[in-house]
Amino acid sequence: QLQLQESGPGLVKPSETLSLTCTVSGGSISSSSYYWGWIRQPPGKGLEWIGSIYYSGSTYYNPSLKSRVTISVDTSKNQFSLKLSSVTAADTAVYYCASSRHEKGYSYDYWGQGTLVTVSS
Amino acid sequence: QSALTQPASVSGSPGQSITISCTGTSSDVGSYNLVSWYQQHPGKAPKLMIYEVSKRPSGVSNRFSGSKSGNTASLTISGLQAEDEADYYCCSYAGSSTFVFGTGTKVTVL
Repeated sequence: QLQLQESGPGLVKPSETLSLTCTVSGGSISSSSYYWGWIRQPPGKGLEWIGSIYYSGSTYYNPSLKSRVTISVDTSKNQFSLKLSSVTAADTAVYYCASSRHEKGYSYDYWGQGTLVTVSS
Repeated sequence: QSALTQPASVSGSPGQSITISCTGTSSDVGSYNLVSWYQQHPGKAPKLMIYEVSKRPSGVSNRFSGSKSGNTASLTISGLQAEDEADYYCCSYAGSSTFVFGTGTKVTVL
């Protein structure tokens, strides 16, 4: 059973870059079975899909965030990462990493616990 | 890519059935049988309840069922229980390897 854990700064200044890492255990991030994704949830609001990455390095982004988002994978550490540039208060949210599989219709069946990132000076 | 539309809230008494709708467009819900549903309790990560419109992951109660007609997907909870009180989100494939979530529905057990 996969386990995912987000890590990174809980406070980021406006205009700077938000950087988070998701560490995967219980499976290989290099597996061709999985896509690795990031989803966020502003306080009191709904879920927003940010993007995902395949083990090959292929990336897929939400069109509304595409110009600011970079997702990458580090197979040596069994981790994948999120970078969101030029952040504003609107990027304050709980950020979740999650995994999806073709066998489950690309739905997100394993999730990290989430990490709150606040954008404030 | 706009969020899928869900009712803000749905309520029901214990034992009753409720249905949550999820309305998209012909570019997402209407074009693909890749709709999933998630349950989220306060302060917790979402939990997958339904995938590919109507399939249940192992361990999810058969009181949860999903369906789709045209651009609208639905989640039905039968035999409503207190533990079902939570927020529910739909999610659909939207083409070009992108996904879109619904606006979310708060389910209250009266």
